[in-house]
Amino acid sequence: ETGVTQSPTHLIKTRGQQVTLRCSSQSGHNTVSWYQQALGQGPQFIFQYYREEENGRGNFPPRFSGLQFPNYSSELNVNALELDDSALYLCASSFGQGAWETQYFGPGTRLLVL
Amino acid sequence: DQQVKQNSPSLSVQEGRISILNCDYTNSMFDYFLWYKKYPAEGPTFLISISSIKDKNEDGRFTVFLNKSAKHLSLHIVPSQPGDSAVYFCAASTGNQFYFGTGTSLTVIP
Repeated sequence: ETGVTQSPTHLIKTRGQQVTLRCSSQSGHNTVSWYQQALGQGPQFIFQYYREEENGRGNFPPRFSGLQFPNYSSELNVNALELDDSALYLCASSFGQGAWETQYFGPGTRLLVL
Repeated sequence: DQQVKQNSPSLSVQEGRISILNCDYTNSMFDYFLWYKKYPAEGPTFLISISSIKDKNEDGRFTVFLNKSAKHLSLHIVPSQPGDSAVYFCAASTGNQFYFGTGTSLTVIP
């Protein structure tokens, strides 16, 4: 059974650019959640996708958008990058959307915005 | 606005002793609470959870206690082992939104 994978592992962008991060969910999982973890902070919920539909969103601006594909893999897109977007981006997959469903996290993508 | 707080950034405990990690929250609408463990260069790993209808949940060496009136959550690890050394995050949810604390770095000294 393959765990949650994320690509790329590291990324450097400049302010104003756009970035796409990818997440492959664990086999059999239909829900993917994305988190931003700034240095010294806990993960902050960005949004969740359940069966290809956005299913909840945290306090992030619209320039953070996502997509979930029929195979339940997912993308996080960030437009007009700002310096404060520098962080570790984590995705987590689960069997369902409920809070009681165990989330399995990937290792993250570290984004640096210069 | 930090709705989930872990006020101790670090904790050191001798091997074999009890580790107690604490977490406070402000939102009374939270109905599910979780603890995650994180090793460097890895994503967080689920450890244990508790529903708001319970006040205690055990899983082997790990016990989570919930005090709803105090809006306080704690994780007890007994006995502590060197392999428990990691960053521990508490998290709370309402619906399908999750709120994490800032983490406590636990070091278990052999």
